[in-house]
Amino acid sequence: GNSVTQMEGPVTLSEEAFLTINCTYTATGYPSLFWYVQYPGEGLQLLLKATKADDKGSNKGFEATYRKETTSFHLEKGSVQVSDSAVYFCALSANSGGSNYKLTFGKGTLLTVNP
Amino acid sequence: GAVVSQHPSRVICKSGTSVKIECRSLDFQATTMFWYRQFPKQSLMLMATSNEGSKATYEQGVEKDKFLINHASLTLSTLTVTSAHPEDSSFYICSATDRGWETQYFGPGTRLLVL
Repeated sequence: GNSVTQMEGPVTLSEEAFLTINCTYTATGYPSLFWYVQYPGEGLQLLLKATKADDKGSNKGFEATYRKETTSFHLEKGSVQVSDSAVYFCALSANSGGSNYKLTFGKGTLLTVNP
Repeated sequence: GAVVSQHPSRVICKSGTSVKIECRSLDFQATTMFWYRQFPKQSLMLMATSNEGSKATYEQGVEKDKFLINHASLTLSTLTVTSAHPEDSSFYICSATDRGWETQYFGPGTRLLVL
């Protein structure tokens, strides 16, 4: 079956530090890949996505590249801010039959950015 | 665009009562909605997938009679937790997609506490 493995946190950084959160996946076929962010007490927000190999998703200074050869979708940001503190989920989307797509999530990585 | 709301955001109820949670897509027609459950500091667990006008498809291990899902219109799905017990206390999150496309847009979540 499909699975997503992301680095376990928590990750604690100082403001303006470089961020990498690793994510690898196992899937049949050609899934789409996503990063979602969850702020405390809230639902998930789509951060970025990539739908095919070598695509780069980017948003708010975050970026991730769909690497089929290494089955990875690592999240990076060059300079984090305190407001980036949240839980980050890597996910893949695969057709579950018919026209429905199910998301498979990683366990989430808690990021804390200190001023 | 792509805003999903949930109501209520927080509910406290007595054991044995039923609780209804609403999920609405505000600016698009959601042919498919998903219901997730999230335990503290854990990832999201898919409970069921509902297509407008059809019966929901439940994931293995999720009790259909316990968690009633209705997707009567293209903008509204409801989850009713019947005869709630303290072990049902959790964070329930819905998501919605348009025409079964891959990107899911999430609601802000409903925190249920059963006393």
